[in-house]
Amino acid sequence: GDSVTQMEGPVTLSEEAFLTINCTYTATGYPSLFWYVQYPGEGLQLLLKATKADDKGSNKGFEATYRKETTSFHLEKGSVQVSDSAVYFCALTPMFSGGYNKLIFGAGTRLAVHP
Amino acid sequence: NAGVTQTPKFQVLKTGQSMTLQCAQDMNHEYMSWYRQDPGMGLRLIHYSVGAGITDQGEVPNGYNVSRSTTEDFPLRLLSAAPSQTSVYFCASSSRPYEQYFGPGTRLTVT
Repeated sequence: GDSVTQMEGPVTLSEEAFLTINCTYTATGYPSLFWYVQYPGEGLQLLLKATKADDKGSNKGFEATYRKETTSFHLEKGSVQVSDSAVYFCALTPMFSGGYNKLIFGAGTRLAVHP
Repeated sequence: NAGVTQTPKFQVLKTGQSMTLQCAQDMNHEYMSWYRQDPGMGLRLIHYSVGAGITDQGEVPNGYNVSRSTTEDFPLRLLSAAPSQTSVYFCASSSRPYEQYFGPGTRLTVT
């Protein structure tokens, strides 16, 4: 079945460092891809999305490009801030989800940014 | 708009007890769903609904029941709690593909 694999955390960075969180997927056809973020004590929020190959999703300085050839959707940010500390989830919606956007999540990667 | 609300925030149950986790949304969304979040496993879909009166099973439905009598509410029932149901539960709603809104979660411990 469809699945998402993302790098294990925690990832610990200093403020203004470059961030990459790897995400690869297994799915039939062309799924839609997402990054969600969970701040401490809160629910998940959609960070960015890409719905077709070569699309680049971006938001709040974060970017991810849908790479069909490598089945990847890596999250990047050029300069992280302490406020970016959170858990980041890569997720997909299967191509044939019957009209309902079911989400299949990766395990999550915890990011801790220190001043 | 309150968005998606969940009650309670925390709950401790003894094995065999029953309870209902409440979820409500005020955005008139058709789609609602329940996920559980366990360490190292991300979120897994328990049940979902594509409209009032329509529900279906997700990836891990065993031990849980749902109903959808109104557009706004989507309660999750545990009929006989087990320690394996210790988890954080999230409700989500959506009106269109590609974006789901999540509630703040309910942390459940079953002893």
